[in-house]
This record gives sequence, C-alpha cells and structure tokens, in this order.
Amino acid sequence: GIQVEQSPPDLILQEGANSTLRCNFSDSVNNLQWFHQNPWGQLINLFYIPSGTKQNGRLSATTVATERYSLLYISSSQTTDSGVYFCAVERTRFGNEKLTFGTGTRLTIIP
Amino acid sequence: DAGVIQSPRHEVTEMGQEVTLRCKPISGHNSLFWYRQTMMRGLELLIYFNNNVPIDDSGMPEDRFSAKMPNASFSTLKIQPSEPRDSAVYFCASSLADRLAVTTYEQYFGPGTRLTVT
Repeated sequence: GIQVEQSPPDLILQEGANSTLRCNFSDSVNNLQWFHQNPWGQLINLFYIPSGTKQNGRLSATTVATERYSLLYISSSQTTDSGVYFCAVERTRFGNEKLTFGTGTRLTIIP
Repeated sequence: DAGVIQSPRHEVTEMGQEVTLRCKPISGHNSLFWYRQTMMRGLELLIYFNNNVPIDDSGMPEDRFSAKMPNASFSTLKIQPSEPRDSAVYFCASSLADRLAVTTYEQYFGPGTRLTVT
C-alpha cells in the first residue's frame, strides 16, 4: 500500500513560535487531509487539500502533488495547538484504497 | 449538524463478551468508515460503506469482527467474542463520496469509543 511519512515525529516549541510539519507520500493521491488529535483524543479536521494552498487563521497548508508532499504551517503557536497532527491520504490507482494515516507529529507548546 | 455521533464513549468488558459499538453519521453523507487506533499500530481503517453497502472490509482483523449499516443513519461494529488485544479506541467517520465511491471527500470523525477488554 501507499506509504505516508511525517516529520518530525516530535516537536517542542515555546508559545508564539512558528512551525512547519511535513508529510511525504509514496504515490499519487486524490485526497489528502490534515487532522489535529487533541489531548482528549478527538480528531479534528484541519484541511482537505489534495493540491494547492489553503489558509485558516494561524494555520495554512500546501500540497505539491507532483512532488508527493504536503506541509502544514502553524504560526504564533498557542498551548491549545498541542497534540498530534496527522496527515492522511487516499489513492485509487490500485483498487480503492481509502485513507491511510501517517504516524503523526506530536507537537507540544510550552507556555 | 451534531456531527458524527458514537456510543458508548467508554466500554469496559470482560474477555469473551460481545461488544457492540454504534455510530450515527452526519446527515447527507453517503460513506461511513470504522477505524481503530492503538499505540502499536496507529490509526487503521477496518471497513467502509458507501450508500449502506460494505465496499471493503479487508481491514477487519478477523471473523470476530462484523459491521452492519442497516440504513443511512446508523451503523454498528460488533466484536464477538472480545479479547484483551481488541482494547483500543474505535472511531467512526463519515463523508461524501462520488457515485462510484472512487473518491471520498473530507472525512469527519466522531469522538470515538474507548474499549477496554479485561
């Protein structure tokens, strides 16, 4: 199946710092989503972004489908940004593979 | 919309017992997914439905697991008999998909059911 790699695995930052999380995938995809899993375990949609760039407040994401990677930017981080960030992709070239999740980036924001 | 609703939120049961997890997808969505999350294996897709029909159950770990979707607003995931290794958080998600279920769009997750089998 498709491989999804996220980096870095862990990130510890001071409140107010900016960060960039990366997601690499091994094949063409028709769906890519970024999720935030908060400390209570809830999975929250951040972006549906199979290609291009989107912004939502302090967060933005860019997917370069031809080069098989996506980036999630968090600016002016807050303690509520702590949690695990997952990238998930879907491809349909072989059968009908649905969302495959990366192993996540654990972000800790220190006040 | 209330989002995806799952029940129960927590379930503790003894090995060998039957466990039934329930999910109500977002109204209007035509695809429904069951996932399992563990520390060892991360988030795994177990099964997904399109228009109430199971499309791919290759992620279901073994015959002890079964899932049904009797109508567009309800699905169950059943484990019988349960084993300690089934302990995990089980998520249900829903989305819109194209008519042939080739492409699914943004998935929305429920709060999950934390299952503990002793």
